[in-house]
Amino acid sequence: QQPVQSPQAVILREGEDAVINCSSSKALYSVHWYRQKHGEAPVFLMILLKGGEQKGHEKISASFNEKKQQSSLYLTASQLSYSGTYFCGTGGSNYKLTFGKGTLLTVNP
Amino acid sequence: KAGVTQTPRYLIKTRGQQVTLSCSPISGHRSVSWYQQTPGQGLQFLFEYFSETQRNKGNFPGRFSGRQFSNSRSEMNVSTLELGDSALYLCASSSSGQGLTEAFFGQGTRLTVV
Repeated sequence: QQPVQSPQAVILREGEDAVINCSSSKALYSVHWYRQKHGEAPVFLMILLKGGEQKGHEKISASFNEKKQQSSLYLTASQLSYSGTYFCGTGGSNYKLTFGKGTLLTVNP
Repeated sequence: KAGVTQTPRYLIKTRGQQVTLSCSPISGHRSVSWYQQTPGQGLQFLFEYFSETQRNKGNFPGRFSGRQFSNSRSEMNVSTLELGDSALYLCASSSSGQGLTEAFFGQGTRLTVV
C-alpha cells in the first residue's frame, strides 16, 4: 500500500523550516527520501533503516518511528535550492520501494 | 562514474503499438527497477531485476514486461499501448536492491501515446 505523505504542498520563505511526514499502514524495514525538481530525475536524500541506522547527506535530517510506522523529513533554514517535490519510499525485504504521492515544496526569496 | 542512462528520452507512439525502453545502470550495480510516473500518482513500481532475475512485480497488467541482460542493462516493453500508458518511465539502479540501499534514477523516458 502506498504511504501517505503530508502536507501535499507547502510554501516557505527562504530561511524558514518545514517538516514533511510519511506514514504507512504496513510494517517498515526502511524509509527512503528523494527530491525531484521539475524535469529532472529524483535524487536520493536519505535512507533510514529499521534499527535506527540513518544514512544521508546535505543539511537535511529525518526521523523514523518504527512503532508508529512513520517518518518525518526536517528541512531547516530552507534555501531556494530546496524547492521540488519530495517523495518518501517505504521498503521491505521484497526488493520493492513503494512511494507516496509526493509533497511539493516551494521556497520563495 | 557514469550515471543511469535511459534511452530514448522521448517517444510518441500510436495506440495499439508496442514500445521498448532501455536502461543502463551504474557500473557495478546489479539491481534495476522500473517506475511509472504520472501527475498526481507519484512513482508506481513496475518491477525489479537483479542478476537477470525478476524479484518483484508491481500491479500492472501483463502488457508490461521487462528483462535484464547479463551486463545488467534492462529493457522494459509495453505492448498494445493505451492512451493511459502515457507517462514518464524511470529506471533506478542500486547495488543490492530496491528498499535496501540508495537508488539512483535515470532521467526517464517520456512516452506519449496518441
